[in-house]
Amino acid sequence: AQSVTQLGSHVSVSEGALVLLRCNYSSSVPPYLFWYVQYPNQGLQLLLKYTSAATLVKGINGFEAEFKKSETSFHLTKPSAHMSDAAEYFCAVSEAGGTSYGKLTFGQGTILTVHP
Amino acid sequence: SQTIHQWPATLVQPVGSPLSLECTVEGTSNPNLYWYRQAAGRGLQLLFYSVGIGQISSEVPQNLSASRPQDRQFILSSKKLLLSDSGFYLCAWTHAINEKLFFGSGTQLSVL
Repeated sequence: AQSVTQLGSHVSVSEGALVLLRCNYSSSVPPYLFWYVQYPNQGLQLLLKYTSAATLVKGINGFEAEFKKSETSFHLTKPSAHMSDAAEYFCAVSEAGGTSYGKLTFGQGTILTVHP
Repeated sequence: SQTIHQWPATLVQPVGSPLSLECTVEGTSNPNLYWYRQAAGRGLQLLFYSVGIGQISSEVPQNLSASRPQDRQFILSSKKLLLSDSGFYLCAWTHAINEKLFFGSGTQLSVL
């Protein structure tokens, strides 16, 4: 069975500050890992994904995440926050292959607030 | 290009009433289709997925059902809604060879 834990349901940063959203996962097989962003009353958009290639993954909007197997973590970072980054962020895990690509297990989500 | 449509955007229904949410995908064929629910203060939970017409897999026991009458159409239904069915419902699709999941814009369901 898979699970995802996002540490901190709310994170608040100042504009221009570092963004760090934490994600730890549990999986019995090598995982695929994802970060999605959700703006109010909208669906989810993929920020980035790890699929067993490079452990440092770069995504859209300046975000990146590093897969650390020893720590079972996949934390999301951005060097300098923008006001437009305010949203809810979800970490997700799936098993590689076949229809499991869509069977994502999501974390509880972290709401990011950016202050001017 | 591929698009996914989900409607209605918002829905308020009384307890005990039926439900039908529809999702269609355009610009692709034979997609894998998914229904997720996001309850208030909780993450997303996979409810159903389908790998083909008439093929439905349920991930959790619940008051809801799903159907796939056409290749690119996925319907979420209930005969009698419960208060606990309230939430934000998201339809999504992907291909088996593609790791990216594409989400619809969601339906906010309030059961009163």
